[in-house]
Amino acid sequence: DAGVTQSPTHLIKTRGQHVTLRCSPISGHKSVSWYQQVLGQGPQFIFQYYEKEERGRGNFPDRFSARQFPNYSSELNVNALLLGDSALYLCASSFARYGEQFFGPGTRLTVL
Amino acid sequence: DQQVKQNSPSLSVQEGRISILNCDYTNSMFDYFLWYKKYPAEGPTFLISISSIKDKNEDGRFTVFLNKSAKHLSLHIVPSQPGDSAVYFCAASVTGNQFYFGTGTSLTVIP
Repeated sequence: DAGVTQSPTHLIKTRGQHVTLRCSPISGHKSVSWYQQVLGQGPQFIFQYYEKEERGRGNFPDRFSARQFPNYSSELNVNALLLGDSALYLCASSFARYGEQFFGPGTRLTVL
Repeated sequence: DQQVKQNSPSLSVQEGRISILNCDYTNSMFDYFLWYKKYPAEGPTFLISISSIKDKNEDGRFTVFLNKSAKHLSLHIVPSQPGDSAVYFCAASVTGNQFYFGTGTSLTVIP
């Protein structure tokens, strides 16, 4: 069975640009969460979507947005990129709104 | 404000011995806790969970202990194997929704 998949695996952008990251959850999972992990830190919660609605938002600026599609895949969008947005972006899915989450391999974003 | 803390950035253990990884939290509302293992260039892999109605949960070589009064949990790995070498994260949540992660402990199991 396929796990959580994310694309692209690596991305290089310059300051001020916009980026879209994509995530496909495990088949049958209806919840997708996004996390940002900077070097030396644990993952920081950005968003949770369940049944295509936002169910939770972490302490991130409005430059960060996300959505979930009818097939439960999800996109994370970041506008006006800053150097500090350079990080590993992780997507996690779970069957229900609550419960253990299964992570994808992440997208490594570098902002120059 | 770091609500979940792993105060040991690294730990080295001899193969076959017990590994004990510790985690402290500050939010008394947390009622669901997870441990994840992470290899380089991979996403975290779920290991074991515990809810606040229990004080111990066991799965093979892995046991998680929860001390609610001390706001402390620990992961025991017995016996430790070289393949256990990875970064371990604890995570906590209220009702298993938004998870707060610690900064991780890098475990090295020496053959």
